[in-house]
Amino acid sequence: DTGVSQDPRHKITKRGQNVTFRCDPISEHNRLYWYRQTLGQGPEFLTYFQNEAQLEKSRLLSDRFSAERPKGSFSTLEIQRTEQGDSAMYLCASSLTDTEAFFGQGTRLTVV
Amino acid sequence: AQSVTQLGSHVSVSEGALVLLRCNYSSSVPPYLFWYVQYPNQGLQLLLKYTSAATLVKGINGFEAEFKKSETSFHLTKPSAHMSDAAEYFCAVSTGGFKTIFGAGTRLFVKA
Repeated sequence: DTGVSQDPRHKITKRGQNVTFRCDPISEHNRLYWYRQTLGQGPEFLTYFQNEAQLEKSRLLSDRFSAERPKGSFSTLEIQRTEQGDSAMYLCASSLTDTEAFFGQGTRLTVV
Repeated sequence: AQSVTQLGSHVSVSEGALVLLRCNYSSSVPPYLFWYVQYPNQGLQLLLKYTSAATLVKGINGFEAEFKKSETSFHLTKPSAHMSDAAEYFCAVSTGGFKTIFGAGTRLFVKA
């Protein structure tokens, strides 16, 4: 296992379409996080899973966003009816503890 | 509530010169503090972390940071900049829970 894997790395979609991103965490990590990063900004927390339970969602996560981690392993983040404002880098991270999270390379979404 | 302020969105140094990236935090409880580095179109890599042990923390690639509670600061330094240090650097704060708050980032330029 070489780290957190995200797929796809890049996604271009038309406004109004749905998109789904996948994150495969480091295998023994029970904690999984999604962040969004817009140009020139630091990552902003979106949601957190411990095993399969989604324990926290940011207010940034509108009703169009949904995340799952069905078996406590990989996770998916779906955005419905995409808007241009959704264009960003979506980062996934995983950890065993509070004190070190490992980030994937991110999925860059462009909504045209 | 926690927050992070990174002073200077861009810092430029000459190769071989001292690198100093400034970070101030706000937290109502003892924080965990982190510095991450991000290269273009990549995820975040942890440089170093403070978790209430030694106040001077050494990280990878010759970087170090000092936790100063009285100044609520956690500045990142490196004695001698290398061209490969050119990247975006993020300071982050956590109180041991699932949510990490990131600063807006400082882009480091290294001149030959």
